[in-house]
Amino acid sequence: DAGVIQSPRHEVTEMGQEVTLRCKPISGHDYLFWYRQTMMRGLELLIYFNNNVPIDDSGMPEDRFSAKMPNASFSTLKIQPSEPRDSAVYFCASTLRVESQPQHFGDGTRLSIL
Amino acid sequence: KQEVTQIPAALSVPEGENLVLNCSFTDSAIYNLQWFRQDPGKGLTSLLLIQSSQREQTSGRLNASLDKSSGRSTLYIAASQPGDSATYLCAVTSGYALNFGKGTSLLVTP
Repeated sequence: DAGVIQSPRHEVTEMGQEVTLRCKPISGHDYLFWYRQTMMRGLELLIYFNNNVPIDDSGMPEDRFSAKMPNASFSTLKIQPSEPRDSAVYFCASTLRVESQPQHFGDGTRLSIL
Repeated sequence: KQEVTQIPAALSVPEGENLVLNCSFTDSAIYNLQWFRQDPGKGLTSLLLIQSSQREQTSGRLNASLDKSSGRSTLYIAASQPGDSATYLCAVTSGYALNFGKGTSLLVTP
């Protein structure tokens, strides 16, 4: 079975540019999560979706961040404009049922903003 | 706000030793607790999931326990091997999100 697929694996761009991260969850999973990992703060939830609907975006740091899930097999996380402090590893995860099933993580996108 | 703490932050042991990683959390209202493994440059691999009503789960050389009332969990690794070297993360599901600890970086030396 294919796991959670994220692209790109690495992204290096200059400050001010728009960045789009992509995620394909495991087929049939109703929940999709975007996390950010930094050395200082560890892993933090940014936003999650249930049945393609954003449920909680309280972790999104600023209005520069936005996320969409146009269908059950695709989600994007966009940063516009990007800043050096956005540099981190961004993970996407999905699960069938939050209460009783593990979350499955993609390999992440390592983002560097110069 | 749920706070998850992992002790120790780093651990180095010789191959063959049994070891225990600790995790504590502040709010006992959880659905479940998960232990993950993270290798450098990689994503997280789920090792064990313990439901809030369970006391422990086992998978191979791994055994995880949960004491929800005291807000504690342990991950026991038996007969450690160099391939076990990785960062181990504990996470609790409160609401619908995982709240992670900072992890324990484990090095098993041959």
